[in-house]
Amino acid sequence: AQKVTQAQTEISVVEKEDVTLDCVYETRDTTYYLFWYKQPPSGELVFLIRRNSFDEQNEISGRYSWNFQKSTSSFNFTITASQVVDSAVYFCALSELGQGGKLIFGQGTELSVKP
Amino acid sequence: DSGVTQTPKHLITATGQRVTLRCSPRSGDLSVYWYQQSLDQGLQFLIQYYNGEERAKGNILERFSAQQFPDLHSELNLSSLELGDSALYFCASSVEPQGLYEQYFGPGTRLTVT
Repeated sequence: AQKVTQAQTEISVVEKEDVTLDCVYETRDTTYYLFWYKQPPSGELVFLIRRNSFDEQNEISGRYSWNFQKSTSSFNFTITASQVVDSAVYFCALSELGQGGKLIFGQGTELSVKP
Repeated sequence: DSGVTQTPKHLITATGQRVTLRCSPRSGDLSVYWYQQSLDQGLQFLIQYYNGEERAKGNILERFSAQQFPDLHSELNLSSLELGDSALYFCASSVEPQGLYEQYFGPGTRLTVT
């Protein structure tokens, strides 16, 4: 069965620290997609990144970077030089080809960045 | 702004009542998804429509139903409401139905059942 685990419920850092949010997934499919979404205090869900199962290349976008490792079924998210505006709940999600595109979400990691 | 709109933003109603949540997808998107976010269950997929037809169903209660209209907007109907239905309901849209592309989420409707 498909499952996404975000073991870190809450993380607190001081501004400018680097922080890594962990995501471990389970799936039997060979074709699947992984996502990260951000939910700031205002409540909306903001899309950050999508990765397909055949592309293990790491990605960097500004202060954000993602490390996808199929060998450990992990898709971790690192924020470099964190800022107060990064404070939010971050969700990792999985969708499997043939399952209609539905997203299976992890429980989320609440990140608090203090000045 | 994701381009997905949801109305109303907040809804307060009593147990036993029926409500309708409305969603308009991004321009060009044919697929609409509904999700429920609650403290105990987290973010859960409810149902998906593509171009007017139901494509996938998740943990949606029988008291809940949805449809997608010819203009592609979608409505989620919740009936015989219980206290436990209080949650944030999100609509998301994408251009195709198989999850090949990202889903963009609306701002959500916060439902409070008293």
